[in-house]
Amino acid sequence: NAGVTQTPKFQVLKTGQSMTLQCAQDMNHEYMSWYRQDPGMGLRLIHYSVGAGITDQGEVPNGYNVSRSTTEDFPLRLLSAAPSQTSVYFCASSYREGAGGYTFGSGTRLTVV
Amino acid sequence: DQQVKQNSPSLSVQEGRISILNCDYTNSMFDYFLWYKKYPAEGPTFLISISSIKDKNEDGRFTVFLNKSAKHLSLHIVPSQPGDSAVYFCAASGGFGNEKLTFGTGTRLTIIP
Repeated sequence: NAGVTQTPKFQVLKTGQSMTLQCAQDMNHEYMSWYRQDPGMGLRLIHYSVGAGITDQGEVPNGYNVSRSTTEDFPLRLLSAAPSQTSVYFCASSYREGAGGYTFGSGTRLTVV
Repeated sequence: DQQVKQNSPSLSVQEGRISILNCDYTNSMFDYFLWYKKYPAEGPTFLISISSIKDKNEDGRFTVFLNKSAKHLSLHIVPSQPGDSAVYFCAASGGFGNEKLTFGTGTRLTIIP
């Protein structure tokens, strides 16, 4: 089925470990973004991309890296995990223009101990 | 600084009645607004949007109203159904198709049978 696929769904990391959250979309969307959801905070933008080879920072980029080598994939890297990065992470994609908004993946629940 | 505010964390409505969810924003550069619906353990799904050139947009049971002078928008659901029980997020961007969405903190809607 077409959509945004995130892996893994759950992950537990120790403080200081690194990992990559994977995100792939098969809708040929130009825009892709990573958000984190925390209680009482809504969804906050971490990084976004407007096309292959182009990325930029969002509201809360510290501790995260991204790259966009293809239109389909937009991985999020945690460089050195901290307990403050415990959250639910959502990847989303959309066409450059359109009234349909973003299509979100089902999320990755990350716990850093 | 919360630029998009949903001041009601929760709302309970009887089945068949109208549900009204409210959202306020502070950034006058926002000119495109969206509502998303989120079930537990799933990603947000796009519900309805409105451009700042309009004051109302309707899609079936869902209507969004925009009052630019008050920097306020609302989502009306009529009639409310049990399947509408979810968390609703208001989001705003600086332009039609803009890649950066700013989300509110969400309102949990519970429909009482």
